[in-house]
Amino acid sequence: DQQVKQNSPSLSVQEGRISILNCDYTNSMFDYFLWYKKYPAEGPTFLISISSIKDKNEDGRFTVFLNKSAKHLSLHIVPSQPGDSAVYFCAASVGGADGLTFGKGTHLIIQP
Amino acid sequence: DADVTQTPRNRITKTGKRIMLECSQTKGHDRMYWYRQDPGLGLRLIYYSFDVKDINKGEISDGYSVSRQAQAKFSLSLESAIPNQTALYFCATSDDRTSKYNEQFFGPGTRLTVL
Repeated sequence: DQQVKQNSPSLSVQEGRISILNCDYTNSMFDYFLWYKKYPAEGPTFLISISSIKDKNEDGRFTVFLNKSAKHLSLHIVPSQPGDSAVYFCAASVGGADGLTFGKGTHLIIQP
Repeated sequence: DADVTQTPRNRITKTGKRIMLECSQTKGHDRMYWYRQDPGLGLRLIYYSFDVKDINKGEISDGYSVSRQAQAKFSLSLESAIPNQTALYFCATSDDRTSKYNEQFFGPGTRLTVL
């Protein structure tokens, strides 16, 4: 039973436009949510995170929104750049200490 | 220089062989983790350790064992490798003193193939 779901395996966006990546979760005990970016042949790189007590966190071009009632979070990238082409993983944890539970990832492709 | 290193980067082995994957970190973090990634799937937690004396099973620990030889080193062993352990393996670290949300820092991965 997947506790963190990313239902879009891939997403294609034009350069300069907004990219919106979505993530749903089922475990109401999750209290920290993170986004990771992964390039081929590299390990995942931490991008941005949010606590369950917040509904938005912003860092430069990246904003994460959390809707607890819907158990849904999204990552917005504005404006999208060619270097943003990568696989994006949504992850969640309980208590901020144990391992992370990951979604399957969304492959973002930024078209020139 | 990379903060989290993994050796080997690629390994092909045969069914029944014992194999060890090694992870070293220079970040000074207490917590270390092992994950595996299968094609089209997210990362799944195998084992994690909060310090040298603390080892915890993750979601998919069967068929694996670990050793935390020092704060900076965390090894993953497959006692008798089987083909469905073919996967990409990642080591990660985090720091309970500075990490607010359990941000973990990943190594480059080891691609393991079991024939």
